[in-house]
Amino acid sequence: SQTIHQWPATLVQPVGSPLSLECTVEGTSNPNLYWYRQAAGRGLQLLFYSVGIGQISSEVPQNLSASRPQDRQFILSSKKLLLSDSGFYLCAWSRQGARDQPQHFGDGTRLSIL
Amino acid sequence: GNSVTQMEGPVTLSEEAFLTINCTYTATGYPSLFWYVQYPGEGLQLLLKATKADDKGSNKGFEATYRKETTSFHLEKGSVQVSDSAVYFCALSGIMDTGRRALTFGSGTRLQVQP
Repeated sequence: SQTIHQWPATLVQPVGSPLSLECTVEGTSNPNLYWYRQAAGRGLQLLFYSVGIGQISSEVPQNLSASRPQDRQFILSSKKLLLSDSGFYLCAWSRQGARDQPQHFGDGTRLSIL
Repeated sequence: GNSVTQMEGPVTLSEEAFLTINCTYTATGYPSLFWYVQYPGEGLQLLLKATKADDKGSNKGFEATYRKETTSFHLEKGSVQVSDSAVYFCALSGIMDTGRRALTFGSGTRLQVQP
């Protein structure tokens, strides 16, 4: 069976510090990978998605970047965090191709910027 | 572009009450539709899905029917339990403006069930 892991679960960082959140998927190959942000009490905003190694699409302009160095590894980064980067970050994967493929989510990382 | 509209919450019900959470969508083509549930402090879990008109998705007593004529996918449950308290997200799988397929989520509806 497939599993998705995100870490860390919680993170407190000062403004201006760098960020690296990691997500890995097991039990499948060549998945689509996604990063979402969920602000407190709000819906999900798609930040990045990837259909393959080194292929990243950004959905919204922002202070963050994403990389996919390996097939099942997806990293969310920032060089300098802003207060507005606080939120709950979710990684997800789905199978490629058919429109009826659901996305499967990790447990999320709660990021607080001080 | 694609969009999903959900009823605003919170929805507060007593245990064993009937639940309806409304969801309507706008999309080009023929999207697949999903309901996800998020329990406090956790990620999202797929609750049910429907891939074509008149399909009914069901799971754990929850149901939703894909209504193409009204562009709706309302979530229902006949008798809610305290353990159903969570945030529910309606979503569609469609082609984004970038030409890629991705999910578009509604803003979520918080359900609070009181004993």
